Amino acid sequence: SSGLTQDPAVSVALGQTIRITCQGDSLKNFYASWYQQKPGQAPILVIYAGNKRPSGIPGRFSGSSSGNTSSLTITGAQAEDEGDYYCNSRDRSGGRGFGGGTRLTVL
Amino acid sequence: EVHLVEAGGDLVQPGGSLRLSCAASGFTFSDFEMNWVRQAAGKGLEWISYISRTGNFIYYGDSVKGRFSISRDNAKDLLYLQLNGLRVEDTAVYYCAREGPEFNFDYWGRGTPVTVS
Repeated sequence: SSGLTQDPAVSVALGQTIRITCQGDSLKNFYASWYQQKPGQAPILVIYAGNKRPSGIPGRFSGSSSGNTSSLTITGAQAEDEGDYYCNSRDRSGGRGFGGGTRLTVL
Repeated sequence: EVHLVEAGGDLVQPGGSLRLSCAASGFTFSDFEMNWVRQAAGKGLEWISYISRTGNFIYYGDSVKGRFSISRDNAKDLLYLQLNGLRVEDTAVYYCAREGPEFNFDYWGRGTPVTVS
């Protein structure tokens, strides 16, 4: 087990804001990264080092953290943001791990 | 442009072995740490293994420790995963992923399917 916990599913109305959270002890010491995955596709990185966006990721994606919880926020969700979102981090022993994933539905 | 292309996935019987490879291009392979991640059908992502730039440091997830072995050939820009003692529960799509700063996976391949049956 990675020790990272995510809500299995969330939904958001089109154009509204949604926060997806990830909890785990490792997040007290290491940044979380966030990935978006759509059916049949490989994951893509949307947030790293807690709050940095890779080139090409829209500005509506942002990250934050507090204590053992990291969050991914989508401000003004679009239909194309539907998919599965995973957090990941490393642990003290050098391993990496993923949360169980959150399925986002845009209504 | 960064490209990662996995190969070697196949149908194999329980107890069998496979060797997966990941061909890297578009970046200096030896400058980056690499990982294998898998995903069973309808399930979440599972981190499998990590290897440092030179191969000096290697880590495995608990579910594959002692059965899988990661390696790399920096001269050929290739990452490998040797899968031994395969179990039905190892059935998944196996992705290789480049590790970027702060322990993230910044580029992924399209994956190669492994079926144990």
